[in-house]
Amino acid sequence: EAAVTQSPRNKVAVTGGKVTLSCNQTNNHNNMYWYRQDTGHGLRLIHYSYGAGSTEKGDIPDGYKASRPSQENFSLILELATPSQTSVYFCASGDSYEQYFGPGTRLTVL
Amino acid sequence: GEQVEQRPPHLSVREGDSAVITCTYTDPNSYYFFWYKQEPGASLQLLMKVFSSTEINEGQGFTVLLNKKDKRLSLNLTAAHPGDSAAYFCAVISNNAGAKLTFGGGTRLTVRP
Repeated sequence: EAAVTQSPRNKVAVTGGKVTLSCNQTNNHNNMYWYRQDTGHGLRLIHYSYGAGSTEKGDIPDGYKASRPSQENFSLILELATPSQTSVYFCASGDSYEQYFGPGTRLTVL
Repeated sequence: GEQVEQRPPHLSVREGDSAVITCTYTDPNSYYFFWYKQEPGASLQLLMKVFSSTEINEGQGFTVLLNKKDKRLSLNLTAAHPGDSAAYFCAVISNNAGAKLTFGGGTRLTVRP
């Protein structure tokens, strides 16, 4: 069965610190996505990737970087975390149009 | 780009009643539509996907209607039960968004016994 995993599941960071959120998929999907979920906003796309070595900006990329070192792994990097980045982050993988979501990472920036 | 508005943000119904959630989108070139269910603390679970060529889709206990003329997508839970209590999200793919998903803001549904 399709599987998308994320780590860590919960993270508390300090303002100005660096945070890396990791995502792994065993679906062999070309496309991977990072979203954040805030109350009243649904999910908003931060970065996405069409394959190893590629990253593209989504709708809200400011303050985030992404890295896709392999087909299976896609990371979201906050170089200088701010309290406004406190949120729940979801990774997804997909081909064609369907996307399969990971369990989410709850990030709190103090 | 594409914008998706979802209403209502909160909905409370009694067990056995119907519950209707509606999304309106702006891009007439939108062609693939999704409904997701998210239980508290959990990830998103795909309920149904709808191509623009299909106007009515039925699932287990729910119906999805697509009105392309009005650019409206709706989810109708026909006889809600407490297990349906969750957040529901619509999502849309359009050519103008580079085949990326644009989500509605979500509806938190509570089904009272």
